[in-house]
Order: sequence, then structure tokens, then C-alpha cells
Amino acid sequence: KAGVTQTPRYLIKTRGQQVTLSCSPISGHRSVSWYQQTPGQGLQFLFEYFSETQRNKGNFPGRFSGRQFSNSRSEMNVSTLELGDSALYLCASSPDIQETQYFGPGTRLLVL
Amino acid sequence: QKEVEQNSGPLSVPEGAIASLNCTYSDRVSQSFFWYRQYSGKSPELIMSIYSNGDKEDGRFTAQLNKASQYVSLLIRDSQPSDSATYLCAVKGPGNTPLVFGKGTRLSVIA
Repeated sequence: KAGVTQTPRYLIKTRGQQVTLSCSPISGHRSVSWYQQTPGQGLQFLFEYFSETQRNKGNFPGRFSGRQFSNSRSEMNVSTLELGDSALYLCASSPDIQETQYFGPGTRLLVL
Repeated sequence: QKEVEQNSGPLSVPEGAIASLNCTYSDRVSQSFFWYRQYSGKSPELIMSIYSNGDKEDGRFTAQLNKASQYVSLLIRDSQPSDSATYLCAVKGPGNTPLVFGKGTRLSVIA
């Protein structure tokens, strides 16, 4: 099976802009989770989707949002970008919410 | 606030030695435990999962879980320079709870 794919892989934006990141899960996986990884904070949970419903949300401001489509593909959006949003954004998929998560290659976002 | 604690390292071991990586967690009702390996500039890849007390072996890797002590460890036997990476411990509680990661331990295997 093909692994989790994320697009784009690299992105440079300026403060105040918005960005949309995309994640395609492993075929047959219905759960998608998003994480932000920075050197100082490590991997922090953003949100988790299952069957187009947000099941969990981490402690991030409302500028961070996401959604999942009927084919399990997911997108996350960050509006009004801040310098501190510069990070590696990782998507992980699993067959179901309680099962092992497999990560995509990530999208590296740089906000200038 | 559910926490997962790991020593940040770096943990340096000579090639061929056993590397021991440790992780403690705060949520007593945690049910699922995972070890991921992350090479610099790459995404985490799953090494092992463990769900019940005791040891679980997979090749050169052994995961150990002690729920009473809220402690999970990863042993890497015959360490190789290619094992040099950051090892992330992740813990999941029951029901609809998210996976919580530690900040990782950086392992350096010296040839």
C-alpha cells in the first residue's frame, strides 16, 4: 500500500497570510490526525478526524482549523499566519481512532 | 494535562552495545504505548507498540511496559550507527483520547 502523502512538502509564507495543507491517508484508513512539531515543543496534537467528524482537538487557537472529506483525505488551514507557526506539520493516519498511527513525510512551513 | 516524559539526551552508546530508552507517563489509565524513531529532517516511523505489562520483542528491539510504575522502555540490542536518531514515546488513553508524545530522546551510536 502507498503510505500517507502530504502536499506541499515545503511552503514559505509571510505573516498574515493563510495556508492550506493536504493529507491523503493510507488506503482504507479512516482516521487522520494532525500534529505540529517544533524544536522547542516537540510533537503537539492539533486535531483528529474520523468519518468526516472532528473527534479531538488540541490546545491551539481558532486560527487552526481542519476538515476531512468523504474519501478520508484531510486538509488543515492556518489563517493569519504568525512567525511562531513556522514548524513541521505532520499528518498521521490509522484504520480507526484507537489504532496505530502512521505518519506522512510532513509539510515544512516557514513564515517570514 | 496528560504528560509523557523522556530524557532529551543525547544518549551515546558504542556500536554493538545495548541502548536503553525510558519514558514515564502521568495518566494512569493509559492503554496503548508506542515507540517511534525519527531521523533528522524526516517524519516519525513506528518501531513498536505495546499494550500489556511485560516485554515485547521484535528483532533487535524490545519494548517493556510496567503500568504500575507508569513506565515504558525501549531496548535496542547490538546498536548500530544507523540507529542514531530521536526516539519518541507516545501514549494513548482509553476511548476517544488523542495520542500524547514525549519530546524524544536523541540517541547517538558511536562506531
